[in-house]
Amino acid sequence: AQTVTQSQPEMSVQEAETVTLSCTYDTSESNYYLFWYKQPPSRQMILVIRQEAYKQQNATENRFSVNFQKAAKSFSLKISDSQLGDTAMYFCAFMKHERRGASGSRLTFGEGTQLTVNP
Amino acid sequence: EAGVAQSPRYKIIEKRQSVAFWCNPISGHATLYWYQQILGQGPKLLIQFQNNGVVDDSQLPKDRFSAERLKGVDSTLKIQPAKLEDSAVYLCASSRGPGGYNEQFFGPGTRLTVL
Repeated sequence: AQTVTQSQPEMSVQEAETVTLSCTYDTSESNYYLFWYKQPPSRQMILVIRQEAYKQQNATENRFSVNFQKAAKSFSLKISDSQLGDTAMYFCAFMKHERRGASGSRLTFGEGTQLTVNP
Repeated sequence: EAGVAQSPRYKIIEKRQSVAFWCNPISGHATLYWYQQILGQGPKLLIQFQNNGVVDDSQLPKDRFSAERLKGVDSTLKIQPAKLEDSAVYLCASSRGPGGYNEQFFGPGTRLTVL
C-alpha cells in the first residue's frame, strides 16, 4: 500500500515571498503520478500541479513548481511570489500508473498543510 | 462548463438514521469518484465508477455504505445506518476517463454531521 506524509501541518509566509511545502511518500511502484491539490476555505479542491514519475524534468505551472526526488521519494511544492489567494490547505497525493486493462485511479492523499499568506 | 454539483451541502442526522447524497458530474465525464474527508485528514476514496460500472470499492464499508450510478451519469451515495464516525465531508469528483493524465474535478462536498 502507498502512504503519503506531509510533516508540516501549518505554514505561513509573507505576501510576495517564496514558500516550500514538503511531501514524502512510500511505494514499491516504479511508475506513478504525484499531485498537489489546493483546498481553499469553504471552496472545492483544485489541482495545482502534476508530475509523472518517469519524467526527469520537474513540473512547473506559473508560480508553482515542484522538486521531485524519486530516489528519496520526496515531492515538494514551491510557491513563488505568494499571494493572499494562495491561502488554503494543500494536499500532496499519489496515484499508481494504470496498467493495460486496469482503470483504477485512486488518489492517496497526505494529511495536508495549512498555508497562510500574510499581508 | 458547469462544475461537479453535489447536494445537499449540509446534513445533520441522528446515529442509526439513513442518509443519501447526490452527485452530478461534469457533462461527458465517464469516471466518477466518491471520497470521504474526515476533519483534519486528506480525502479517502470510497468508490470509483467507470460509466455505470464499479472499478474500485475496496475501501467502501459495504455493510452500511452503498452507491450507484444509474445510466452512467448521476450518482448517489447512501449510508444506512449512520454511525458517529461517519461524520465527514463527502466529496464527489469526476474525470473524462481513468488514469493520472485525466484531471479529477471535485465538487463542493456534502458535510455530514452524525449526532
